[in-house]
Amino acid sequence: EVQLVESGGGLVQPGGSLRLSCAASGFSASVHYMTWVRQAPGKGLEWVSLMYDDGSAGSAYYADSVKGRFTISRDNSKNMLHLQMSSLRVEDTAVYYCARVAINWPLDLWGQGTLVTVSS
Amino acid sequence: QSALTQPASVSGSPGQSITISCTGTSSDVGFSRFVSWYQQYSGKAPRLVIFEVNKRPSGVSNRFSGSKSGNTASLTISGLQADDEATYYCYSCAHSNNLVFGGGTKLTVL
Repeated sequence: EVQLVESGGGLVQPGGSLRLSCAASGFSASVHYMTWVRQAPGKGLEWVSLMYDDGSAGSAYYADSVKGRFTISRDNSKNMLHLQMSSLRVEDTAVYYCARVAINWPLDLWGQGTLVTVSS
Repeated sequence: QSALTQPASVSGSPGQSITISCTGTSSDVGFSRFVSWYQQYSGKAPRLVIFEVNKRPSGVSNRFSGSKSGNTASLTISGLQADDEATYYCYSCAHSNNLVFGGGTKLTVL
């Protein structure tokens, strides 16, 4: 089955760190750009980060709201995508989705999401 | 990276047609032919319903259609059905590989 499965969410204190993972199955993620999108409780979708297929230095892009705090990476040998989040803030509380970027940019496959709660 | 502008809500009766607008700038919607639309039911992941302005993925009803004029894209749903009730988001690729979503439009089927 073609799917994305996120993991790693949980409760963390402000200023803390968390690493999210996204496991791809049923297809080779190495030929796709991949992205993270988040959704705060009761709010809309917000793009977080994008990484090109090769995962090379310089192929990562970030929303201004997370730049300098979040780092996207991928391990194509394991069909995995990661998001290292540090200096977390209360406003980072959200469900985090990973998604596959198809040709010409639509997000054609989404995971079920993982909830990150930043609270003291 | 400002969000694209969508109406907060729209409504229609079964069988009617509704249109949801998505207004951006010349740096995103106006710049890109890669506008897409997503349907999201409460508590579920989004689902792609329109890509490249007016193309439908396999499995999406032909009641869904898209268009674009200048900096505004639109999603039209014809022959409204009860299970169309969801929140709809537009999305565009912008300059410098930034991606941007609209604020979302909640569709109520009366």
